[in-house]
Amino acid sequence: GQQLNQSPQSMFIQEGEDVSMNCTSSSIFNTWLWYKQDPGEGPVLLIALYKAGELTSNGRLTAQFGITRKDSFLNISASIPSDVGIYFCAGPRIQGAQKLVFGQGTRLTINP
Amino acid sequence: GAGVSQSPRYKVTKRGQDVTLRCDPISSHATLYWYQQALGQGPEFLTYFNYEAQPDKSGLPSDRFSAERPEGSISTLTIQRTEQRDSAMYRCASSPSSSGANEQFFGPGTRLTVL
Repeated sequence: GQQLNQSPQSMFIQEGEDVSMNCTSSSIFNTWLWYKQDPGEGPVLLIALYKAGELTSNGRLTAQFGITRKDSFLNISASIPSDVGIYFCAGPRIQGAQKLVFGQGTRLTINP
Repeated sequence: GAGVSQSPRYKVTKRGQDVTLRCDPISSHATLYWYQQALGQGPEFLTYFNYEAQPDKSGLPSDRFSAERPEGSISTLTIQRTEQRDSAMYRCASSPSSSGANEQFFGPGTRLTVL
């Protein structure tokens, strides 16, 4: 089963609003990955985080690797319609492992 | 190829039948992964290949599931004697790196429905 808990599970916002979502685990992760899944497509990597406390941006997206290494946050500023989709956090439970565990996703819906 | 491709995109089968799903990874990618994704959930790891070797198949739900990558490129996932609970999206991903689980590029998936 899922080992990463994402919240909220779904969000309904107005275009232009900022978005915040997070991902928590009871175990330490040494890498945090954030993916976006569009309808009918596979997940696409948005941001990768490798160091506790790290803050990384990709355009309007910013993600942070929590200091405790048990959580991560993703923020989207000034949302636009193409931000609609499901956002997944993921990481290898064991450092250097190939096996990724995923959260259950945060579904983002934007009202124009 | 330009990206990871999977076939078929949709498969409907009757309980008890065998199905084989195919994944074409990005050419030259060393590592290939199979995931199962239930509706409303994130992908769950099934198995992975490093070229033709299969170091980890711990995620395969039962011995009805098997995967191959005989020449280190294309891979197939076979489910024997399908059951209704096998209905899910099956996703393949590939990575250029054989060290660590970063930068996985996912295919569009095969949606399997077992009646």
